Amino acid sequence: EIVMTQSPATLSVSPGERATLSCRASQSVSTNLAWYQQKRGQAPRLLIHDASTRATGVPARFSGSGSGTEFTLTINSLQSEDFAVYYCQQYNNWPPMYTFGQGTKLEIK
Amino acid sequence: EVHLEESGGGLVQPGGSLRLSCAASGFTFRSYSMNWVRQAPGKGLEWVSYISSSGDTIYYADSVKGRFTISRDNARNSLYLQINSLRGEDTAVYYCTRSLSGDAPSWGQGTLVTVSS
Repeated sequence: EIVMTQSPATLSVSPGERATLSCRASQSVSTNLAWYQQKRGQAPRLLIHDASTRATGVPARFSGSGSGTEFTLTINSLQSEDFAVYYCQQYNNWPPMYTFGQGTKLEIK
Repeated sequence: EVHLEESGGGLVQPGGSLRLSCAASGFTFRSYSMNWVRQAPGKGLEWVSYISSSGDTIYYADSVKGRFTISRDNARNSLYLQINSLRGEDTAVYYCTRSLSGDAPSWGQGTLVTVSS
């Protein structure tokens, strides 16, 4: 099983600043990685797929980078609606035993 | 617009069973693999099961293997999860998802399963 580890567990950032979230895979997943945003009481929303491609309708302030085992989600100019929990998820292996990171909670500083 | 709507959750005693359903609309259901993902209260996301577009390839997480059965009816645009021998640790919101790779993922709003006596 590929283990996904996110850091930090909680990130405190002021509105208007930049947030940088990290995700590490226990083995290479190439660029087969997605980032999701989840707000309280809602389903996860796809932000980034294939490590760096924004999903339809996702604002340009969200960007993803990385390949192999190290990945980053960057959110520029944080807006109030961006404070949520973010998950990374790999989809590299077959059989499709998809795995998620444990999440990073982005909170207002 | 893609829409996935889960149903069938509820309160069930340990050892009991439930059948979850997911009604899909807004896309060609028979062309996509589907999954169930769950989230225990206050916890992260856990992939549960995968079924291919035709239904002939199925996989389960080790934590549910032998107790959960995924199926689909492409004529009815519906996905199912039969969950048996329920345990306290199965308490979670269960999400139906269209694919979990590339640009295809979509998620329903989830249905809550509570296992308690």
